[in-house]
Amino acid sequence: QVQLQELGPGRVRPSETLALTCSVSGVSVSSGSYYWSWIRQPPGRGLEWIGYINNGGSTNLNSSLESRATMSLDTSKNQVSLKLKSVTTADTAVYYCARLRSSGWSRWLDPWGQGTLVIVSS
Amino acid sequence: QSVLTQPPSVSAAPGQKVTISCSGSSSDIGNNYVSWYQQLPGTAPKVLIYKNDRRPSEIPDRFSGSKSGTSATLVITGLQTGDEGDYYCGTWNTSLNSGGLFGGGTKLTVL
Repeated sequence: QVQLQELGPGRVRPSETLALTCSVSGVSVSSGSYYWSWIRQPPGRGLEWIGYINNGGSTNLNSSLESRATMSLDTSKNQVSLKLKSVTTADTAVYYCARLRSSGWSRWLDPWGQGTLVIVSS
Repeated sequence: QSVLTQPPSVSAAPGQKVTISCSGSSSDIGNNYVSWYQQLPGTAPKVLIYKNDRRPSEIPDRFSGSKSGTSATLVITGLQTGDEGDYYCGTWNTSLNSGGLFGGGTKLTVL
């Protein structure tokens, strides 16, 4: 059974860098069969796709965030990481990691982690 | 504002049927598969439908999906109070960097 769990700082000050990790169990993050995604959800609002990373470390990021976001894999810890620099209050959200599955041209997110709330505040 | 358009809310009585629409364009739904996610209150999203109309084995057949042109539809039959929550469609963009897209979400109320 594949499980994902996000870990984050809880609170970050404006202009600082947000760093999140996603611990994966039940499958290796270096498996070529899957990609790994980050999604966020501001309080009371909808989902926003942040990006994904493949087993080779190549990323595809939301164009609105790609100047500030980086993703990486730590295969020794079986973790996926997200860093978002120069945060503002608009980055306050629940951040989810999810496995990106594919079948032919079809891609979908399954499963999702439980999410971690990050509040940007001074 | 989301690229994919969903109705903000739908409602129906227990046992009834609801339909949730997701409207896009040729740059997204029109040339990509659609998935649907259920988010119950206080929980993470969970996939209900992938590849337009496929259900994971653990999802009951009360949930079904379809796609036609640049729109997709989620149908829920035999509504239960436990179905109350938010529902999101998702797909990919073929004109930008093949990024992921979500609809704005639809809140389902079971009266």
